[in-house]
Amino acid sequence: GQNIDQPTEMTATEGAIVQINCTYQTSGFNGLFWYQQHAGEAPTFLSYNVLDGLEEKGRFSSFLSRSKGYSYLLLKELQMKDSASYLCAVRDGILTGGGNKLTFGTGTQLKVEL
Amino acid sequence: DAGVTQSPTHLIKTRGQQVTLRCSPISGHKSVSWYQQVLGQGPQFIFQYYEKEERGRGNFPDRFSARQFPNYSSELNVNALLLGDSALYLCASSWGQGKGEQYFGPGTRLTVT
Repeated sequence: GQNIDQPTEMTATEGAIVQINCTYQTSGFNGLFWYQQHAGEAPTFLSYNVLDGLEEKGRFSSFLSRSKGYSYLLLKELQMKDSASYLCAVRDGILTGGGNKLTFGTGTQLKVEL
Repeated sequence: DAGVTQSPTHLIKTRGQQVTLRCSPISGHKSVSWYQQVLGQGPQFIFQYYEKEERGRGNFPDRFSARQFPNYSSELNVNALLLGDSALYLCASSWGQGKGEQYFGPGTRLTVT
């Protein structure tokens, strides 16, 4: 199975940079995903890492270290609209019966303040 | 291109009733997965279908069933509804099996009274 840990809440200032960490213990691994979810809405895809290293997409970057079971999401130039829950999810390895199964953490609620 | 679509948007049912939720994946995507999300939690995996075959099943009772059609759309059925089935039901679309990004639809908000 999978166990995924991420902080419950974080607060940051508009214009600043924030890093949201995610650690995981898995019986199989085939990619790590980050999603943004505003209250009452569906998750929106942000990034996907399958190899070690940094993936950058505009103001958002995601890093993965498979040997450490660790990822982070970096948000730059924070805006008020970035206030949301950020979900870390791990995809099972195909051989461990997953295919496309994602296991999610409980999410990190980010509050951006003026 | 259209994203993942789900219907209905909202649904209110009574305990013991049955419900069918529908999902159409992104054009060209062959895999559909279903998730249940209750307030304050991350989504929980229910089923995954690829090329019309079930490829994964989560820890949900047999009251939950699903299928995928030749056009890759999918239905999730829940029988004998319980109050605890009240949740946001999400459909995720991806093009391959164990490959690529997964994109979620807007979800169906199910309330069981």
